[in-house]
Amino acid sequence: AQSVAQPEDQVNVAEGNPLTVKCTYSVSGNPYLFWYVQYPNRGLQFLLKYITGDNLVKGSYGFEAEFNKSQTSFHLKKPSALVSDSALYFCAVLTESGGSYIPTFGRGTSLIVHP
Amino acid sequence: DAGVIQSPRHEVTEMGQEVTLRCKPISGHDYLFWYRQTMMRGLELLIYFNNNVPIDDSGMPEDRFSAKMPNASFSTLKIQPSEPRDSAVYFCASRPKGLGYGYTFGSGTRLTVV
Repeated sequence: AQSVAQPEDQVNVAEGNPLTVKCTYSVSGNPYLFWYVQYPNRGLQFLLKYITGDNLVKGSYGFEAEFNKSQTSFHLKKPSALVSDSALYFCAVLTESGGSYIPTFGRGTSLIVHP
Repeated sequence: DAGVIQSPRHEVTEMGQEVTLRCKPISGHDYLFWYRQTMMRGLELLIYFNNNVPIDDSGMPEDRFSAKMPNASFSTLKIQPSEPRDSAVYFCASRPKGLGYGYTFGSGTRLTVV
């Protein structure tokens, strides 16, 4: 079965420092991977995706993610964190269901950026 | 586009009552999804529709839960009778046809069953 794991429940980083939110995946076949962000009292927002092509994917709000096939990882990164980046981040992998591909989400990682 | 619109934003009801959650997807999106989010279980897919047809409802927890999509612009999730363990945030999401599209989520309905 397709799945993703987010090994950290929480990540703390100081404003201005680089941040990494980790995600590893387990799939049979080609992985289709996504990152979403959830701000308090809001629904999830799409950040970026990897379907095929370059291993470094750039997304919204200055975030990027690196697809690493040998390590089966898709870590989310940003060179310089902002306090406003504090939110819940979800990694997802597309899973076949009923003839369509739908995302299976990780448990989420809470990112806290300290001023 | 106003995005995915859910109503109500908050619902407090007594155990045993019927609860109906509503969703208006983005116009032109072929897929509609209902998710439930709790601290214990994270995000759970309850059911999804393709062109108004329910495709996979294996995530619906019990017969007390039902979902309909009578047309392309409206869907409901009903719980009857409601129980305290149904308390959660329920999200509706939609997306166009195609593998690479991200989902657009609504702001959710926070349900509290007392």
